[in-house]
Amino acid sequence: QKEVEQDPGPLSVPEGAIVSLNCTYSNSAFQYFMWYRQYSRKGPELLMYTYSSGNKEDGRFTAQVDKSSKYISLFIRDSQPSDSATYLCAMSVTSGTYKYIFGTGTRLKVLA
Amino acid sequence: GAGVSQSPSNKVTEKGKDVELRCDPISGHTALYWYRQRLGQGLEFLIYFQGNSAPDKSGLPSDRFSAERTGESVSTLTIQRTQQEDSAVYLCASSLLDRGITGELFFGEGSRLTVL
Repeated sequence: QKEVEQDPGPLSVPEGAIVSLNCTYSNSAFQYFMWYRQYSRKGPELLMYTYSSGNKEDGRFTAQVDKSSKYISLFIRDSQPSDSATYLCAMSVTSGTYKYIFGTGTRLKVLA
Repeated sequence: GAGVSQSPSNKVTEKGKDVELRCDPISGHTALYWYRQRLGQGLEFLIYFQGNSAPDKSGLPSDRFSAERTGESVSTLTIQRTQQEDSAVYLCASSLLDRGITGELFFGEGSRLTVL
């Protein structure tokens, strides 16, 4: 079993839809959770990070962590074609570490 | 430039040849990372540098892989006697990891390696 599982997609949605992207993990020690966005043939860029449980909102994006279920989500409201990318979750035991475990990424297509 | 720069962006080589991939991190970033990204797979950690030292080389897949960093700046990932399974995108990232505080990972655009 992989430490972090992520549905590879692709996920296709119409413009304006609410998108839910998810990761599950097996290591209960993970406390620092990140979402990266990767456009085609580009490097990943940090979108959001959260520490421990709860929600964090940034514009159209909301990151949610449920440690009891070992489940994290990224919600995108009012999705735009420019949101079309691969979204990778990443996590680590602490924030002061170099070792992040990445999911495989979910490819998202937002159709105009 | 202000970002992480990697070269070459694309490399096609024949099985058995050696390749060198270069990474120029963001100036002042103390930590440098190499990851491998295969199609349909997550980012696979290869090696991490703090300054010019590599405290963790555990992710290097075999002794054909090596990496160095000089001047707390440029890093080179070398793959000797390349095999077809080495085909992947090799991503470099840098950050301000210092005193236990992790900064955001800034990634380059990657070096796409194809071994024929």
